Amino acid sequence: NAGVMQNPRHLVRRRGQEARLRCSPMKGHSHVYWYRQLPEEGLKFMVYLQKENIIDESGMPKERFSAEFPKEGPSILRIQQVVRGDSAAYFCASSPLTGDGSGYTFGSGTRLTVV
Amino acid sequence: QKEVEQDPGPLSVPEGAIVSLNCTYSNSAFQYFMWYRQYSRKGPELLMYTYSSGNKEDGRFTAQVDKSSKYISLFIRDSQPSDSATYLCAMSDGDKVIFGPGTSLSVIP
Repeated sequence: NAGVMQNPRHLVRRRGQEARLRCSPMKGHSHVYWYRQLPEEGLKFMVYLQKENIIDESGMPKERFSAEFPKEGPSILRIQQVVRGDSAAYFCASSPLTGDGSGYTFGSGTRLTVV
Repeated sequence: QKEVEQDPGPLSVPEGAIVSLNCTYSNSAFQYFMWYRQYSRKGPELLMYTYSSGNKEDGRFTAQVDKSSKYISLFIRDSQPSDSATYLCAMSDGDKVIFGPGTSLSVIP
């Protein structure tokens, strides 16, 4: 009965490198959501995916950020050419149903530090 | 105006106190309302879920939604040190969930 698994828990990247954050949803959950959390700013929606489909990426920066949820394997949030402003906690949530929020389960997050 | 507003605190209360946490919002399309609790260095966990206006009680926790005023509240009775955490209000129109910035609560023994 593993919950939402995110790895790595902590990730340090130098400016200009790529960051890959992984999220394995709960068993039976087919909807994945990525959020970014900055101090004092709460959770900001980034992207909503189902298997092999991006449903809503309205919160994702237009450049350098991409997300996927392949047929097999975890969902990946990819940040290319990281900058210091990308330093944040990135949380993934999964649910069995679409976004009314009742079934959201969050992972423990990946804390990205850009040096 | 932000879509969801919440007093960031921090809020510090003695053990046993009644705590009131509040959020206001601007989007009248929101139908689903939630409160999440987040401990330090952890992911948020769902505490209360309410559909539309009304009250919901679960143990020491009561959630209230007033859609006419676009205002939601969470009350914690007989607060305990283990309630010390950040509380995030959240709401959805059925598409995606939008979170408030969170209120940091400390319950002092």
